[in-house]
Amino acid sequence: DSGVTQTPKHLITATGQRVTLRCSPRSGDLSVYWYQQSLDQGLQFLIQYYNGEERAKGNILERFSAQQFPDLHSELNLSSLELGDSALYFCASSVEAGQGAPGNTIYFGEGSWLTVV
Amino acid sequence: AQSVAQPEDQVNVAEGNPLTVKCTYSVSGNPYLFWYVQYPNRGLQFLLKYITGDNLVKGSYGFEAEFNKSQTSFHLKKPSALVSDSALYFCAVKGGGSYIPTFGRGTSLIVHP
Repeated sequence: DSGVTQTPKHLITATGQRVTLRCSPRSGDLSVYWYQQSLDQGLQFLIQYYNGEERAKGNILERFSAQQFPDLHSELNLSSLELGDSALYFCASSVEAGQGAPGNTIYFGEGSWLTVV
Repeated sequence: AQSVAQPEDQVNVAEGNPLTVKCTYSVSGNPYLFWYVQYPNRGLQFLLKYITGDNLVKGSYGFEAEFNKSQTSFHLKKPSALVSDSALYFCAVKGGGSYIPTFGRGTSLIVHP
């Protein structure tokens, strides 16, 4: 158990809908990362937050957004869902954002399986 | 930009034999290298990392990895494979001013009884 908690574990929804994925980082971790894993694209970095502020952005679609709350949990919002958004979405956390300690390990949650039908 | 290549989609090995899962990287400056393992329907679990120092890094479950700067490689090894080692293995790199890890596409390790 990495200590990173993600809910829900599984989600099935229809095209055009909106879903929210939730993540609680490890105790003491200030930085949260979101990744998307699909068969054709592999593991893609979406976005990073550090202590409530957006720190880095990757291949995140405009239909997707995220935020990190004062209690450090994070949510990833996916809207206007398409069939191609079906994937495993991971949250990960680390102590710092990385610039001060690039060797920091990031720890992954178990993921949220999203199926768009 | 940083990148990672895992040249083998799948590695097959017999139980008890040594295993190697290959990883090469490209990054400017000093690399920070990581290996993760993903079991079916599970998240990625951290195995080991290279930051600096000894080129041979030891990690969880008897795995080790050898950093080779001249060959820009960070191959994962284990002296004696177990059937339970069968999983998807990911190599990742940070460096070149980016502190977001970039992951390889993964290598499926299959250990046959």
